[in-house]
Amino acid sequence: GAVVSQHPSRVICKSGTSVKIECRSLDFQATTMFWYRQFPKQSLMLMATSNEGSKATYEQGVEKDKFLINHASLTLSTLTVTSAHPEDSSFYICSARPAPNEQFFGPGTRLTVL
Amino acid sequence: GEDVEQSLFLSVREGDSSVINCTYTDSSSTYLYWYKQEPGAGLQLLTYIFSNMDMKQDQRLTVLLNKKDKHLSLRIADTQTGDSAIYFCAESMNRDDKIIFGKGTRLHILP
Repeated sequence: GAVVSQHPSRVICKSGTSVKIECRSLDFQATTMFWYRQFPKQSLMLMATSNEGSKATYEQGVEKDKFLINHASLTLSTLTVTSAHPEDSSFYICSARPAPNEQFFGPGTRLTVL
Repeated sequence: GEDVEQSLFLSVREGDSSVINCTYTDSSSTYLYWYKQEPGAGLQLLTYIFSNMDMKQDQRLTVLLNKKDKHLSLRIADTQTGDSAIYFCAESMNRDDKIIFGKGTRLHILP
C-alpha cells in the first residue's frame, strides 16, 4: 500500500529557533501534499496545500511567512516552522495524494517548543 | 460554511456493536469518510461513501448515510480491543478536494 513517512517523529526546540519537518511518499509520486495541524482533542486543521514545483496555497489565518512549505520533488515536501514559539507546539500531519486518488497520511510529527 | 460535528467520546463493551455518529452541514459534500487514528499515529482511511449511496458494508464496518438529514454513521460489529482509537468523520466535495474533518470520537472498549 501507499506509505507516507514523516521525519522527525518528535522534536523539541527552544523558542526562537526554526524547525524543519519532512514528508515523503515512499512508494508513489505525489503532485499534491497537504499539511495539517492537530491540537489535543481537536480536529485536524488544514494549513496548506503544497503542489510540486509551485507555491503552496495557504488556508485563511495561516501565516505563510511563519510556516514555510517547499515541495521540491514529487516525493518530498517540507514544512519549516520559523522562529518557533510555545504556541506553535502541536502535532503536524502531512498527507500525500497520488492524483487523482485519495490522500494517504503520514504518522505525524509532535513539535514541542520550550 | 463547512462544519463536521461528532460526539467526542463513546464507551462500548467488547463484543458489542459500536455506533459512531456524525453530522455535516455542507450539502455539496460528495464524499464522506471515516478515518481511524491510533495513539501517536497518523490517520488511516477506514472507508468512504459517495453521496448517492445510502449504505456501504465492509466486513465488520457498516456506513449509513442519510443525505436529507446530513447524518453519517459508522457501525463496528463485534467491537474488539484493537478498535480502541479516535474515529474521525470527514467530508470533501470530491476525492481531489481538501478534506474537512470533525473533532473525532474517542472509542473506549470496556472488558
